[in-house]
Amino acid sequence: DIQMTQSPSTLSASVGDRVTITCRASQFISTWLGWYQQKPGKAPKLLIYQASTLESGVPSRFSGSGSGTEFTLTISGLQPDDFATYYCQQYNSYPNTFGQGTKLEIK
Amino acid sequence: QVQLQQWGAGLLRPSETLSLTCSVDDESFRAYCWSWIRQAPGKGLEWIGDINENAGTNYNPSLKSRVTISLHTSKNQFSLRLNSVTAADTAIYYCAREKLEMATKPDAFDIWGQGTLVTVSP
Repeated sequence: DIQMTQSPSTLSASVGDRVTITCRASQFISTWLGWYQQKPGKAPKLLIYQASTLESGVPSRFSGSGSGTEFTLTISGLQPDDFATYYCQQYNSYPNTFGQGTKLEIK
Repeated sequence: QVQLQQWGAGLLRPSETLSLTCSVDDESFRAYCWSWIRQAPGKGLEWIGDINENAGTNYNPSLKSRVTISLHTSKNQFSLRLNSVTAADTAIYYCAREKLEMATKPDAFDIWGQGTLVTVSP
């Protein structure tokens, strides 16, 4: 299985900040990577797919980059609604695997 | 917007069989692959398996010996069965759509069900 490692596990930030979450794959996955946002008691929501393509309806303050084994999710100008847990997911090969999550907290 | 509605038993005893169903309210059902994903309390996401429009399946090797995913095309539904459950199977189970039509490889999940909490307790 391809292991996905996110950092940091927890991130404290303020409204208006720019934050970056990193996801590393244990093997080459090209750009077959998605980013999800999950709020308590809710299903995950797809934000970005193919490493850098914004899902329809997702605000443009979210952006993704990277290829190969290292990827980043950047949120520019944090809004109160953005405080949640974020997961990366590789879909280069079966089984699909997720990172352990990054909890974005209000500072 | 396509919606997924899922249901199934929420409380099981060890060794019983988990059974969940997910219904898709759109005729595009036949064009996509459909997955089951679970999340143990306070933990991350684990992909269980998927099924395509031809009822071909892929399973997570960690669960493969106990899992069956089935397609019920006439009802726009698909289902999950997990045999011989233990406390380690306690989780919220989600059904989800894989993003691309007629996908021939794994994909991102763009539409999710509401989740079903399944608790395994003696």
